[in-house]
Amino acid sequence: QKEVEQDPGPLSVPEGAIVSLNCTYSNSAFQYFMWYRQYSRKGPELLMYTYSSGNKEDGRFTAQVDKSSKYISLFIRDSQPSDSATYLCAMSPSMEYGNKLVFGAGTILRVKS
Amino acid sequence: NAGVTQTPKFRVLKTGQSMTLLCAQDMNHEYMYWYRQDPGMGLRLIHYSVGEGTTAKGEVPDGYNVSRLKKQNFLLGLESAAPSQTSVYFCASSYDGFSPAYEQYFGPGTRLTVT
Repeated sequence: QKEVEQDPGPLSVPEGAIVSLNCTYSNSAFQYFMWYRQYSRKGPELLMYTYSSGNKEDGRFTAQVDKSSKYISLFIRDSQPSDSATYLCAMSPSMEYGNKLVFGAGTILRVKS
Repeated sequence: NAGVTQTPKFRVLKTGQSMTLLCAQDMNHEYMYWYRQDPGMGLRLIHYSVGEGTTAKGEVPDGYNVSRLKKQNFLLGLESAAPSQTSVYFCASSYDGFSPAYEQYFGPGTRLTVT
């Protein structure tokens, strides 16, 4: 079983929809949770970061972490065609000495205009 | 700033051939990483480095070697390529002593096909 599970999609939604992307994990030591966005044929880039449990909001994006359920989510409000990309969750138990991240498989999102 | 650059962008190898992928970063980052990305598998860490002259194994190190002789460069070598090494390879770097260590900066990737 993978440490981090993520539904690969693709997820196809109309413009303006609310999108929910999710990951589950098995390692209770994970404390740092990230979402990276990857456009086609590009490298990933950091989108959101959350430490431990709770919510974090940045514009149209909200990241949620539920450590009791080992479940993290990324919500996108008023989705735009420019949000079409692969979204990868990533997590780590520590930010010390090398900061190795464990990535999910990524969810392909397509926002139709 | 160029950020993280990777050379080459594309390569086709025959089974048994060798090659070196070059990664360069101009952000004075301490940590550098090599990942491979395969459909349905996400990013998997091959090797990483926490400083000049140091390297360590990641999740999938077999068949690869690395070197970090200069802080800004991280080389990934395939000594005897196999079809199972067909993948997209990404280099990343992080942490200049001030920026958050969790933010890794990725290069554009190298698409490698082994026939």
